Amino acid sequence: QKEVEQNSGPLSVPEGAIASLNCTYSDRGSQSFFWYRQYSGKSPELIMFIYSNGDKEDGRFTAQLNKASQYVSLLIRDSQPSDSATYLCAVKRLTGGGNKLTFGTGTQLKVEL
Amino acid sequence: DVKVTQSSRYLVKRTGEKVFLECVQDMDHENMFWYRQDPGLGLRLIYFSYDVKMKEKGDIPEGYSVSREKKERFSLILESASTNQTSMYLCASSYVRGRQPQHFGDGTRLSIL
Repeated sequence: QKEVEQNSGPLSVPEGAIASLNCTYSDRGSQSFFWYRQYSGKSPELIMFIYSNGDKEDGRFTAQLNKASQYVSLLIRDSQPSDSATYLCAVKRLTGGGNKLTFGTGTQLKVEL
Repeated sequence: DVKVTQSSRYLVKRTGEKVFLECVQDMDHENMFWYRQDPGLGLRLIYFSYDVKMKEKGDIPEGYSVSREKKERFSLILESASTNQTSMYLCASSYVRGRQPQHFGDGTRLSIL
């Protein structure tokens, strides 16, 4: 089992719809969760992070965390073509130091006109 | 804004060469990281450093070494480049305290011929 799993997609949604991106993780002791967006040929950029169970909203983005189910998701409301990218889920491990993250392989999102 | 600068966007080297990839950050971050990113495999941690002259192996350190002589600079060294080291290399940095996210440089696309 991979430490962080994401559906590779592509996930296609029409413009203006809600895109839902999901991520599961295996380390039950994981405490910090991050979503990065990566455009083709570019480096990852941080969108959101969440530490506590429940929802966290930032503009059109909402991160949801359910530690009991070991599940974290990212909702993008009113999806725009500019949201088309690969979304990486990252989890901070408990073991080891230095703020290491484990990344999923990413979900490709396509927002269609 | 955090600025993480990688010395080259594209680099072409030959098998057997010693290759240096440089990374500089301007936020006084304690932690610095080197990843490689390959299609279908996601981001994989090569090495990280949590202080000057300190380093720890990541998940795939074989064939690589690192150097951190100054806090702002973290170098990745391919001792004897091989074709299977052709990849996108990403540098990142973060603060050590708290649940801090990592910030990435633009990446170096390295081709070993």
